[in-house]
Amino acid sequence: QVQLQESGPLLVKPSGTLSLTCVVSGASIRSSNWWSWVRQPPGKGLEWIGEVYHSGSTTYNPFLRSRVTLSVDTSKNQFSLKMNSVTAADTAVYYCASWGVEWEESFDVWGRGTMVTVSS
Amino acid sequence: SSELTQDPLVSVALGQTVRITCQGGGLGTYYASWYQQKPGQAPVVVIYGKHNRPSGIPARFAASRSGNTASLTITGAQAEDEADYYCNSRDSTGNHLVFGTGTKVTVL
Repeated sequence: QVQLQESGPLLVKPSGTLSLTCVVSGASIRSSNWWSWVRQPPGKGLEWIGEVYHSGSTTYNPFLRSRVTLSVDTSKNQFSLKMNSVTAADTAVYYCASWGVEWEESFDVWGRGTMVTVSS
Repeated sequence: SSELTQDPLVSVALGQTVRITCQGGGLGTYYASWYQQKPGQAPVVVIYGKHNRPSGIPARFAASRSGNTASLTITGAQAEDEADYYCNSRDSTGNHLVFGTGTKVTVL
């Protein structure tokens, strides 16, 4: 059973950098799948941030591309998100999710999500 | 910003049928996946690929597509189906994933 677990600081100062890691268990991050980050501001909808492949290839939401970097660490079976120059608008629940590990062409496994607040 | 548009609110009487639509983006080319999200929980996929249901998802959930509009139909809605529903597909360029704006389904 594939499981994902997010971790990272829950409070980030404005203009700072948000950093989160997602540990994958029950599957190898080297499998032929993409690994994504999705966020959800309080009371609002889901927003796809971007995805990373085990090779390090990435695709980003064009509206966030200038501030986001995704990376993968195959030795630790995990992938990471960095978002710089954050503002209060980046306050959200951040989810990591797998694409197509169990069910094709879908975000089939999700982490529980971690609430990150941007505030001084 | 989302290229996939959904009606914000939909209500259905218990046991009746409700259809949720998702329009725009690359839906004329790509299938939509659908997600159910209950308060305080992560989304759960209810439809994937070419209108398939993951194991454990009731048969009352079904999907279809016509032109650039995807639909999720719940036939015989139950109280536990009350949730937010999001579609997901690719944008009009096909290069990026995007979520719909979301639909809150209330079961009366």
